[in-house]
Amino acid sequence: ETGVTQTPRHLVMGMTNKKSLKCEQHLGHNAMYWYKQSAKKPLELMFVYNFKEQTENNSVPSRFSPECPNSSHLFLHLHTLQPEDSALYLCASSPGQGTQPQHFGDGTRLSIL
Amino acid sequence: AQTVTQSQPEMSVQEAETVTLSCTYDTSESDYYLFWYKQPPSRQMILVIRQEAYKQQNATENRFSVNFQKAAKSFSLKISDSQLGDAAMYFCAYRSGSGGTSYGKLTFGQGTILTVHP
Repeated sequence: ETGVTQTPRHLVMGMTNKKSLKCEQHLGHNAMYWYKQSAKKPLELMFVYNFKEQTENNSVPSRFSPECPNSSHLFLHLHTLQPEDSALYLCASSPGQGTQPQHFGDGTRLSIL
Repeated sequence: AQTVTQSQPEMSVQEAETVTLSCTYDTSESDYYLFWYKQPPSRQMILVIRQEAYKQQNATENRFSVNFQKAAKSFSLKISDSQLGDAAMYFCAYRSGSGGTSYGKLTFGQGTILTVHP
């Protein structure tokens, strides 16, 4: 039990599809994060939410749309993605935005056809 | 902007031996934190060890220790008595300790794949 659960574990979708990634944490944390992990590249921070409010958008294209309905849940809505968006998407949480450590989920492996 | 560099894409070690993974970083800040994360094939990122920049003493966690050289901006990870379960991708990460837009943001290196031979 990692405390941070991501679903689905794998996702294959076409460029015109719409899908959502889900992240749930049971740690009572107030900050949640989306990262993108591409092959041979460092993890890239995408979004940060602190107390349900978005505090960082790291110049992410609008085809990625995050949603944080409460401090325990974080979604990443996907639409009209590109092949270069294929990657491992990791969710993390921490007690607050400035506190560590960040606890990570197992990620969703996304493949765009 | 801060950058983190891991110059060793891959490393290998014999079981029970010691291995050191390198990490350098670039920052103009004086207050920051450094981390080593481990990502096994299961994909979950696991915190291995952390170091506060204001602390001169090197952090240790059981078989894991760091060599923190602040002036040189170097933060290497030493794994002693390597075990098969240590095989994973290891990431070095930096986090600003000051406020502003970088607050709470982790900047990762490219990662080092560690193979442990029996």
